[in-house]
Amino acid sequence: AQTVTQSQPEMSVQEAETVTLSCTYDTSESDYYLFWYKQPPSRQMILVIRQEAYKQQNATENRFSVNFQKAAKSFSLKISDSQLGDAAMYFCAYGDYTGTASKLTFGTGTRLQVTL
Amino acid sequence: NAGVTQTPKFQVLKTGQSMTLQCAQDMNHEYMSWYRQDPGMGLRLIHYSVGAGITDQGEVPNGYNVSRSTTEDFPLRLLSAAPSQTSVYFCASSWRTGGEETQYFGPGTRLLVL
Repeated sequence: AQTVTQSQPEMSVQEAETVTLSCTYDTSESDYYLFWYKQPPSRQMILVIRQEAYKQQNATENRFSVNFQKAAKSFSLKISDSQLGDAAMYFCAYGDYTGTASKLTFGTGTRLQVTL
Repeated sequence: NAGVTQTPKFQVLKTGQSMTLQCAQDMNHEYMSWYRQDPGMGLRLIHYSVGAGITDQGEVPNGYNVSRSTTEDFPLRLLSAAPSQTSVYFCASSWRTGGEETQYFGPGTRLLVL
């Protein structure tokens, strides 16, 4: 079974600064997806960014980017120019193909605080 | 589009009671799934469905039943609630096209079993 590990239970960043959240995973598959989800206090799960394992290029979405190291099974999230609205729980997730979509395995999350 | 909707938002049950958590999506997604989220843990997959009439177990299926009679609906049934099923439940739907996949989550149902 796949496992996802987020070793940073909490992180803090000052507004406008950059922060990196770490994630490692374990799998024997060669084809899969990786995701970062944001969960604010409302509990809504919001997709931040996704990465297909077959793509060598790291995904980017505005201020969010990933560092995907397939051989090391590492998938970190970098948030640039942090904003107060970025404060939330962030979950790393591994997606296992089922043919039509991915079954997700989540890490335990990193709580991100953004300070003035 | 309403996206993924879940009802109820909050429910209190007594041990042994049964109930159904409702999930619906209006995006014509083939894939739907149920997750539970417990304190200090990430979401864990309970059951999933790859289309109407097709369901399968996830990581933590015990104590839960599902069925998928239509593309839109994917209810989760607790036959005899136990305190260990106190959790927040999320329904999700997704589709994949051209190698791109997008999963949408509902707002969650908070369940308390006394």
